[in-house]
Amino acid sequence: EDQVTQSPEALRLQEGESSSLNCSYTVSGLRGLFWYRQDPGKGPEFLFTLYSAGEEKEKERLKATLTKKESFLHITAPKPEDSATYLCAVTGGTSYGKLTFGQGTILTVHP
Amino acid sequence: NAGVTQTPKFRVLKTGQSMTLLCAQDMNHEYMYWYRQDPGMGLRLIHYSVGEGTTAKGEVPDGYNVSRLKKQNFLLGLESAAPSQTSVYFCASSSGRNYLMNTEAFFGQGTRLTVV
Repeated sequence: EDQVTQSPEALRLQEGESSSLNCSYTVSGLRGLFWYRQDPGKGPEFLFTLYSAGEEKEKERLKATLTKKESFLHITAPKPEDSATYLCAVTGGTSYGKLTFGQGTILTVHP
Repeated sequence: NAGVTQTPKFRVLKTGQSMTLLCAQDMNHEYMYWYRQDPGMGLRLIHYSVGEGTTAKGEVPDGYNVSRLKKQNFLLGLESAAPSQTSVYFCASSSGRNYLMNTEAFFGQGTRLTVV
């Protein structure tokens, strides 16, 4: 069964203080690892897709990386508007099309 | 471009009542999903579909039924609502691309359901 574990559950940063969020996964035959951002009262918003170990994607202050067992979302010099819940999800080869999420990391950036 | 639209946005049900949540997508996507989100528990998959006429169980399917009679629509039914089904429900869809590389899913804005 596909499993996704995110850490930490919550992270509080000062504006400009860089850090990383972790997503550990167990899946048979990774078909995609996805990062989403969710603001309160809204649906998740897609950020990145990673398919193979060593792959990296960047968007503004965010950079996602992937190894065979985990993914990191690096946040460089965060701003208060980066405050949100960040979700990680995977699809694997044993359950065709099934998309499994982790519990998320609540990020708060203080000015 | 509407994307993924959920109907209704809010609903209050009495225990034992039934209702159907409608999800519609206009992106010609093959895959569709229903999730529930509860505080501290993330997004949990209820049911999903990899094409018109197909459905499959997710992590928490009990008490729910689904149908995908048309490619663009995915319906979630509660036959006899219980207070434990109070939650925020999200629908999502993705193109699927191919068996080896799944594409990202796009989400609706959610339905907030309260069962009293």
